[in-house]
Amino acid sequence: GAGVSQSPSNKVTEKGKDVELRCDPISGHTALYWYRQSLGQGLEFLIYFQGNSAPDKSGLPSDRFSAERTGGSVSTLTIQRTQQEDSAVYLCASSSRDEQFFGPGTRLTVL
Amino acid sequence: GENVEQHPSTLSVQEGDSAVIKCTYSDSASNYFPWYKQELGKRPQLIIDIRSNVGEKKDQRIAVTLNKTAKHFSLHITETQPEDSAVYFCAASYGGSGYSTLTFGKGTMLLVSP
Repeated sequence: GAGVSQSPSNKVTEKGKDVELRCDPISGHTALYWYRQSLGQGLEFLIYFQGNSAPDKSGLPSDRFSAERTGGSVSTLTIQRTQQEDSAVYLCASSSRDEQFFGPGTRLTVL
Repeated sequence: GENVEQHPSTLSVQEGDSAVIKCTYSDSASNYFPWYKQELGKRPQLIIDIRSNVGEKKDQRIAVTLNKTAKHFSLHITETQPEDSAVYFCAASYGGSGYSTLTFGKGTMLLVSP
């Protein structure tokens, strides 16, 4: 079946603008995760959705970052007033058990 | 929270040699330890995982060992091939309910030279 998809694949924006990144998880996966990967760095956990439970937002780096998951499926990560240090690849993953399946990522560049 | 340290950050080997990547974790409650491989420009993909009730697991040329007492686990790749060249990430989580966040190490760039 289809894997995790993300859009856009690349996003270039100007400092101070807001951006929205989209994730379509694998159908039937109840858990959805957002990570950030900076150049040469590991995967930094941002936020986790599990079913109808309140999301785990403990990894969000500032209040400029927010995410929602509508209908238990598609998720949107929003970054307000983008800063240059927000430049990174944003990866989404979904799971039905322990294994997390990753999307191809969105490369965000803030000029 | 959990903290995962991974070493080395880069590893260069000749084709046919073995490669070993080591990780340590801090939270003794962690019980699920996956390894992901990320090729250049690609998404991370699970290659092997181990749970805390098992000390070793093997899948063809790759194996993972876990020492719960010392809180460390290692990835072993034997008979390395150029296509093994990638960044490898270890991770740890408490997967009590089957769902949990993963804490990743910073990755090891493995380069296998022909």
